[in-house]
Amino acid sequence: GENVEQHPSTLSVQEGDSAVIKCTYSDSASNYFPWYKQELGKGPQLIIDIRSNVGEKKDQRIAVTLNKTAKHFSLHITETQPEDSAVYFCAAIIFGNEKLTFGTGTRLTIIP
Amino acid sequence: NAGVTQTPKFQVLKTGQSMTLQCAQDMNHNSMYWYRQDPGMGLRLIYYSASEGTTDKGEVPNGYNVSRLNKREFSLRLESAAPSQTSVYFCASKSTSGGTGELFFGEGSRLTVL
Repeated sequence: GENVEQHPSTLSVQEGDSAVIKCTYSDSASNYFPWYKQELGKGPQLIIDIRSNVGEKKDQRIAVTLNKTAKHFSLHITETQPEDSAVYFCAAIIFGNEKLTFGTGTRLTIIP
Repeated sequence: NAGVTQTPKFQVLKTGQSMTLQCAQDMNHNSMYWYRQDPGMGLRLIYYSASEGTTDKGEVPNGYNVSRLNKREFSLRLESAAPSQTSVYFCASKSTSGGTGELFFGEGSRLTVL
């Protein structure tokens, strides 16, 4: 089955700086890579996703890049704000399948 | 919109006791899931139901049973709770008809087994 590794497990950045979270996946057939944000006491919520037919996707301050050859994808958050503090999960799946495999999560702390 | 609703939010059990976690969604989604979240382990799939009347094992099904009562409701049962089942449990749902692949999560149920 799919295996997703995520790094780092914790990340602290100054407000206004950028944050990068990296993930690798094992199954070359996976073609859909979502990122979820979990705020304290809440369930995870989708913030951005990418399919394997594109290399990069942006949505305001967040972007995701995908390197299919290396089986590697990353989340980039620019101009970080206090509300970006949360736990972030990457995931991978063959689109249309049921078993979404999550990474182990990154706790991001924005320092004011 | 309520989205995905889980009950209870908190529960403390003694080893060997049984309980059922309830989940309901009001988005007319076909697929429903139960995940557990443990520190350093991420979210691990326990069971899922791709449609009403069907259920399948995920990554960590041992010690659990599920019931897809109807399209809206998907329950998770612990028949004889063990301390290793202390965790936060999340129910989620997904549309499979023209959907984006997005999972919608409930707010979680925190279970402690003493």
